[in-house]
This record gives sequence, C-alpha cells and structure tokens, in this order.
Amino acid sequence: NAGVTQTPKFRVLKTGQSMTLLCAQDMNHEYMYWYRQDPGMGLRLIHYSVGEGTTAKGEVPDGYNVSRLKKQNFLLGLESAAPSQTSVYFCASSYINTYNEQFFGPGTRLTVL
Amino acid sequence: AQTVTQSQPEMSVQEAETVTLSCTYDTSESDYYLFWYKQPPSRQMILVIRQEAYKQQNATENRFSVNFQKAAKSFSLKISDSQLGDAAMYFCALRGSQGNLIFGKGTKLSVKP
Repeated sequence: NAGVTQTPKFRVLKTGQSMTLLCAQDMNHEYMYWYRQDPGMGLRLIHYSVGEGTTAKGEVPDGYNVSRLKKQNFLLGLESAAPSQTSVYFCASSYINTYNEQFFGPGTRLTVL
Repeated sequence: AQTVTQSQPEMSVQEAETVTLSCTYDTSESDYYLFWYKQPPSRQMILVIRQEAYKQQNATENRFSVNFQKAAKSFSLKISDSQLGDAAMYFCALRGSQGNLIFGKGTKLSVKP
C-alpha cells in the first residue's frame, strides 16, 4: 500500500497563477482533509470531505477550492495564487471512527512569488 | 470553540534522560480523543500516541507515555530514555467535531548527545 500520496512535492508559482494539488489514498478511507502548515502556526484545516461527492469548509478556506469526485482522490485548487498562500500543504485521510488516526501524506511545499 | 495550546516552543533533553512536553486543550465535548504527532525534519507526520477521554488509564507506547488530566484539560507527553532520533517537532492534537484534528503550535525537541 502506498498510503497517502501527494502530487507535486514542490512547486513555485507567480502571483495570480492557478494550480491543483492532488491527494490520493489507497486505504478506502471515507474522510479526507487538507491542512496548511505555516511557521509557528501548527497545522490548520482548509477543507475536508466526509465522502465521495461531498466537501466542506475548514478553518482557513478562503482562496481555495476542493473536489472529491472519486473516493480515493481529494483535489485542492488555487484559482489565483497569492504570496499569503506560500505554505506546506498536507493531505490526510481516516476512517469514520473518530478513534482512528489520520494518515498524512508527505506534504507539498508551495512558494508563491 | 475547541483549542489546543502548547506553551513550550522549544525543549532540550540529554540523550537517555526523560523529558515532558506540555499540552492543554479546551473542548465542550464529553467524549473526545487526543493525539501526539511527531514531525521529524523529513516533514512526515507520525502518530506517537493517542488517548480516549473516557479512559482514565494513561496511554503508553514503549518509551512514550501521557499524563492525561481530564479535569485540568491537560495532556502531557513523557519521553523516557530519549534517543537522538526523537529530535523533532511534536504536535498535540484534539479530534474536532468533523473528524478533523485541531493542532497546537508545536514544540521543537532537541536531543543532546
């Protein structure tokens, strides 16, 4: 099992450009999440999904959109990148049972110039 | 609102000694779950230990144990016989109502040989 994978691992964008981050999991998890990690801030929830075809906003959703067309994939889109979106992005997935741990991807380091 | 606070930005321990990382939290839920995650320089998020709030017994995983004080809303992590490989960022996290994790800002642990 590959677990949770993220594509790409690194990316540099110019202000105003768009891009999509792909998260894939092969553990048949229902729940998937996108977090961002900034220095001194810990991880903060951007958007999440509790199942195929569903998405919901987290703590810091502005400037991002998401889609979950297939159970195993969760896409995070930036329509018009801003320097404030420079961060490390983590995808995670888990089963419905709240005791189960979340499994994290390796992260994507995004720089917006 | 659910919050997690880690008041120690940095900690240091001598190899083979014991160190305790502090975490306090706030939640109105009666049943909840708490986690400690480790993030080494590789950036990968690794689950260290978890605790169910309704279980009074403190969780233990090899050299890692917690001191869970429900009334005080405290959840500290004790690392015994510290090893060089324990050097990392440690995040305390509370399971949110949507299954997401609410993270503290982290504690950077250094291990001196």
